[in-house]
Amino acid sequence: GAVVSQHPSWVICKSGTSVKIECRSLDFQATTMFWYRQFPKQSLMLMATSNEGSKATYEQGVEKDKFLINHASLTLSTLTVTSAHPEDSSFYICSASFFGGVSYEQYFGPGTRLTVT
Amino acid sequence: DAKTTQPNSMESNEEEPVHLPCNHSTISGTDYIHWYRQLPSQGPEYVIHGLTSNVNNRMASLAIAEDRKSSTLILHRATLRDAAVYYCILRLTGNQFYFGTGTSLTVIP
Repeated sequence: GAVVSQHPSWVICKSGTSVKIECRSLDFQATTMFWYRQFPKQSLMLMATSNEGSKATYEQGVEKDKFLINHASLTLSTLTVTSAHPEDSSFYICSASFFGGVSYEQYFGPGTRLTVT
Repeated sequence: DAKTTQPNSMESNEEEPVHLPCNHSTISGTDYIHWYRQLPSQGPEYVIHGLTSNVNNRMASLAIAEDRKSSTLILHRATLRDAAVYYCILRLTGNQFYFGTGTSLTVIP
């Protein structure tokens, strides 16, 4: 199956600093990438949809100035959490989608654990 | 805005078949049904997906009701490694996934 990587796998940062998370599709070109966050014992919540070369579309309630998304190429998307606060501590997961010949397929990265102290 | 409902939890004995149900009564004609599973502190893993016909792959089978308002993921022989949270998701027109609460599957040795 298709492989999606994330870097870093975990990060600890101080309150007020910014953190960048990378998402890469390793063996395919992704038409669209998605960013999710997941709090402990909860389901994944879609934050934003990102298409290469265009601005991301954010879900209602997600602050676009706080969660900056850059989709520079068909294999790379980045999420920057700006001025992070302890309430931003969460598990951030990206996914990448492509057309598999019959239908669109979506594969997820392993996630990035962010802890803000 | 999840459009699927699943039982919160299910149990199965090891090496027995497991049938995980999912209701999606508001499904539209172009919505694909996707199943993923997630282990703690990992990203979701693709299991199977389908539109109208039943589907089989090396991991599982997907049985889709004729009216498409429900589906069932079938694990033919549950192993301890199959213990996970299973999510049934409708892929909408823009390819977005809105996750529901999923079913936590416990496999009993």
